[in-house]
Amino acid sequence: RKEVEQDPGPFNVPEGATVAFNCTYSNSASQSFFWYRQDCRKEPKLLMSVYSSGNEDGRFTAQLNRASQYISLLIRDSKLSDSATYLCVVKDNNDMRFGAGTRLTVKP
Amino acid sequence: DTAVSQTPKYLVTQMGNDKSIKCEQNLGHDTMYWYKQDSKKFLKIMFSYNNKELIINETVPNRFSPKSPDKAHLNLHINSLELGDSAVYFCASSQVAARRADTQYFGPGTRLTVL
Repeated sequence: RKEVEQDPGPFNVPEGATVAFNCTYSNSASQSFFWYRQDCRKEPKLLMSVYSSGNEDGRFTAQLNRASQYISLLIRDSKLSDSATYLCVVKDNNDMRFGAGTRLTVKP
Repeated sequence: DTAVSQTPKYLVTQMGNDKSIKCEQNLGHDTMYWYKQDSKKFLKIMFSYNNKELIINETVPNRFSPKSPDKAHLNLHINSLELGDSAVYFCASSQVAARRADTQYFGPGTRLTVL
């Protein structure tokens, strides 16, 4: 089993749609969780951290389920500019473990 | 006002050559990292330096040697390049050491192609 696993997609959605991504992780002792965004041929950039209580930042909502070892990202009212690859990141003691990413394309 | 910069952006070289990639951050961060992103887009950590000391050394070939002259710089030297080394190499930095939750700031990447 991969340490951090994501559905690679692609997810093709129309503008205004709501889309959700899930990510599962294998190490139950993982401490911190993040979603990063990576545009084509660019570097990853932090989108948001994921807290146990769940957290929201504008149109983006992140959830953590420690019992089932997964995190999720919900994007509401998708914009064309949301098109990117979304990387799930799990932090163990010393390591940041990246998922392979879920590709999202938002179409007009 | 670039936060994390890398040079070169593109590097095309022959098998067997030795090359270096440079990284500099002006954020005042204590920790710097090297990641490799292969053709399948997996991003894997290679090395991490905290205040010029190596704190992570993943199982990468010893042909790869990181060098940190000061905490603002972390260079990556690669000896005897192989075809499988072709990838995008990202440098990153963060404010606190790896044990604590922190945000990593990535450089723009160096696209290495070994022919």
